[in-house]
Parts: sequence; structure tokens; C-alpha cells
Amino acid sequence: EAGVVQSPRYKIIEKKQPVAFWCNPISGHNTLYWYRQNLGQGPELLIRYENEEAVDDSQLPKDRFSAERLKGVDSTLKIQPAELGDSAVYLCASSLDQLLQFFGPGTRLTVL
Amino acid sequence: GESVGLHLPTLSVQEGDNSIINCAYSNSASDYFIWYKQESGKGPQFIIDIRSNMDKRQGQRVTVLLNKTVKHLSLQIAATQPGDSAVYFCAELYNTDKLIFGTGTRLQVFP
Repeated sequence: EAGVVQSPRYKIIEKKQPVAFWCNPISGHNTLYWYRQNLGQGPELLIRYENEEAVDDSQLPKDRFSAERLKGVDSTLKIQPAELGDSAVYLCASSLDQLLQFFGPGTRLTVL
Repeated sequence: GESVGLHLPTLSVQEGDNSIINCAYSNSASDYFIWYKQESGKGPQFIIDIRSNMDKRQGQRVTVLLNKTVKHLSLQIAATQPGDSAVYFCAELYNTDKLIFGTGTRLQVFP
């Protein structure tokens, strides 16, 4: 069974540019999460989806971050415009029951 | 706010020895705790979990201990192998839907 797929794996952009990350969860997993992981830190939740609905986006900086999961499967996370402090690894995870989350490899974003 | 923390940022052990990674948590209402392993360039991988009504759970070469009195969680790895080298995170499930991770402990295994 394929795991959570994310792309790109690495992205380098200049500040003020837009960037988007894509996630394909494990087949059948209704719950999808986006996390941000700063160097040396644990992942921090940005947004959680139940099917198409964002049920927890309280930690998403809505002035510059947006996310969507239009058909309840794949999801994209966008930053516009990116700032230096956005450099981090962006992780996508999916789960069936909210207890066991399966993580993708992440996208490492560097903002110059 | 609620937080999960780790005592040591780096733990170095000799191959074959047992490893113990500790974690302190602050939210006594959390009902579920999980240990994750994260290797370089990969996402966190589930190792073992424990519910708040338990104080010990064993897996293959790993044991998790939960002490609710002092809000302490530990991960014991028996006969540590080079492949165990990674960063280990404890995490607590808060309000049954919010997973809060600690900072992480790097485990280094040397021959």
C-alpha cells in the first residue's frame, strides 16, 4: 500500500514569491492534516480536514496561508507571499481514526 | 498553553545497550500518548502508543511507560541498533483530536 505522497520534496524561493505544496493521502483516509516543522522542533498542526471540510484551521496564518481539499482526497497548501520565517518542512499526514496518523516525507521549503 | 517537552536533546548509546528516552507532558487531560521516530529526510513514523488508563505497554524491542502522577512518559529501546538512530518525539492527543508534539530527542548509536 502506498504511503502519503508529497511534492515537491524541496523548494527554494525568494521572499514575497508564492509557493504551493501538494499532498495525496493514503487511499480511504478521510482525515488529512498539514503540519509545519521547524528545525529541531516537533510538527505543529496548521490545518485538519475531514473529507472536504476544514474542521480545525485555528493555527493557519490566514493572511498568507491557504489550503484546499476540493474532492476530499488530494490537498494543496499555498503560501502567498512567502516570508523568511516560513522556511520549514511542511508535512502532510492522513488517518482513518485520528489516533494513528501516517506522515508523508514532507516538503522542505527554503525562503531566501 | 499546553505543552509536551523532552528532557534531553541528544542521547548517545553504544550498539547493543538499552536506550531510555524521556518526555514530560503538562496536560493531565490528555488521554492518549504516542512515540514517533523520525529519520533524516522522512516524516515521523509511529512506534508505539499508550492510553492514559495504562502505565506500561510493550512492543517489539520497545516499551513505553506512563507515570501520570508526575506526568512523565518514557520510551525504552532494548538492544539498540544502528538503525534506531533518529529523532524521537513524544506526542499527546488533546481533546481527542489535536496531536501535540514535543521538541524531540536525537538518538545516536555508536559501535
